[in-house]
Amino acid sequence: GNSVTQMEGPVTLSEEAFLTINCTYTATGYPSLFWYVQYPGEGLQLLLKATKADDKGSNKGFEATYRKETTSFHLEKGSVQVSDSAVYFCVTMEYGNKLVFGAGTILRVKS
Amino acid sequence: DADVTQTPRNRITKTGKRIMLECSQTKGHDRMYWYRQDPGLGLRLIYYSFDVKDINKGEISDGYSVSRQAQAKFSLSLESAIPNQTALYFCATSDLTRTGGDYEQFFGPGTRLTVL
Repeated sequence: GNSVTQMEGPVTLSEEAFLTINCTYTATGYPSLFWYVQYPGEGLQLLLKATKADDKGSNKGFEATYRKETTSFHLEKGSVQVSDSAVYFCVTMEYGNKLVFGAGTILRVKS
Repeated sequence: DADVTQTPRNRITKTGKRIMLECSQTKGHDRMYWYRQDPGLGLRLIYYSFDVKDINKGEISDGYSVSRQAQAKFSLSLESAIPNQTALYFCATSDLTRTGGDYEQFFGPGTRLTVL
C-alpha cells in the first residue's frame, strides 16, 4: 500500500522564521496528497491539497508542491506565527478514499 | 454547531469492560471513518463505511467492531477493552467534493480513551 514519511519533530522556531517540513511518499500511481493540521485539543483539519503532479496547494500562507520526480510534498511557510503551533500530518490516499497518514510533525513557534 | 461530534470526549475504563464511542454528523455525508491516533504513529484506520449497508475493515480492526445505525451515526465498540487500546480516537466523514473528485475528510474533535 501507499506510505508517507515525514520529518521527525518537534520543530522549534522563532516567530517570523521560515518553515519547511519534509514529506516523501511511496505510492502506486499518482494519488492526491494532503497536509492536515491538528491544533492543540482539536481534531484534524485540511490545510491544503494537491491532486496531480506539479500542482501547488496553498492556504493560510502555507504552500506545498506535488513533485513526482522526487516523490515529495514538502510543506513551507515564509514567516511562521505563534498561532501556527500545531501537529502537521502529510497524507496520501489509497483506493477507496482511505487516507494514509505520516507520523506527524510537532511545530512549536516561540515569540 | 460542530458538524462532526463525538461522545464521550474523555473516558477512563478498566480492562475487560465493553466501551462504545459514538459519532454523529450533520454534514449529510455518506462516508464515515474511525481512526486511532498514537504518538509517533499518525492516524490509523480502524473501520470505514461508505453507506448504511456497507462496513469495511481498516488497517487495525482487531478488537473493535462498528455499527452504522443511520447515515448520520457511526459507533465504535471495544468488546473487551485492553490497555494497548489506550489512544485518541477520531471519527471522520467525507463526500465527493465539488472540485477534482477528491474526498476531503472532516474530523470530529476526538475521544481520549484510557484503559487501565
